[in-house]
Amino acid sequence: EPEVTQTPSHQVTQMGQEVILRCVPISNHLYFYWYRQILGQKVEFLVSFYNNEISEKSEIFDDQFSVERPDGSNFTLKIRSTKLEDSAMYFCASSVGGNQPQHFGDGTRLSIL
Amino acid sequence: AQTVTQSQPEMSVQEAETVTLSCTYDTSESDYYLFWYKQPPSRQMILVIRQEAYKQQNATENRFSVNFQKAAKSFSLKISDSQLGDAAMYFCAYRTVYNFNKFYFGSGTKLNVKP
Repeated sequence: EPEVTQTPSHQVTQMGQEVILRCVPISNHLYFYWYRQILGQKVEFLVSFYNNEISEKSEIFDDQFSVERPDGSNFTLKIRSTKLEDSAMYFCASSVGGNQPQHFGDGTRLSIL
Repeated sequence: AQTVTQSQPEMSVQEAETVTLSCTYDTSESDYYLFWYKQPPSRQMILVIRQEAYKQQNATENRFSVNFQKAAKSFSLKISDSQLGDAAMYFCAYRTVYNFNKFYFGSGTKLNVKP
């Protein structure tokens, strides 16, 4: 069964550094999402992406965040200047249609030192 | 804003027994979707079951079923004949029909299954 894949599984970065989290959505899916889960807290929506542009973003998704679909298969989340509070599990998801269930990846654990 | 509440941070069940996970939500909308996702340790979140609010019939998926009480804004998940592989974090989630873009998640319930 096709899966959403995320790399790396664990990323350790110094505060202030840029980090790129990568996701390969399911191939025929058109809608892409990023969520994050700070340890012990709820999963929170960050951003949704469709037709090569952001369709919605939360208040968490400020100017230090950006998303990109650089080619036909990858969907990336970039954090420009990481802060300690960016430490979290980041989940990518995709869906074939906007009203279809979202399929989640394994997540990338981001640790900011 | 919509909120989803899971009041049970952790639960345990004996293998082969039945367990019910609770979820309540708050919304002013009349039509929406509700979901239960399962997240095994260090694994991706997997959709367990989905319910459309306009459907009165409770969704079922093999050993998994829901008790959807729209007036009470309650959406509990029942797992019958629990198996060791059911051990995971379970998240209840809400999505409006007007904005497919994002889910509102509960804080999760960790389910332990005892052999």
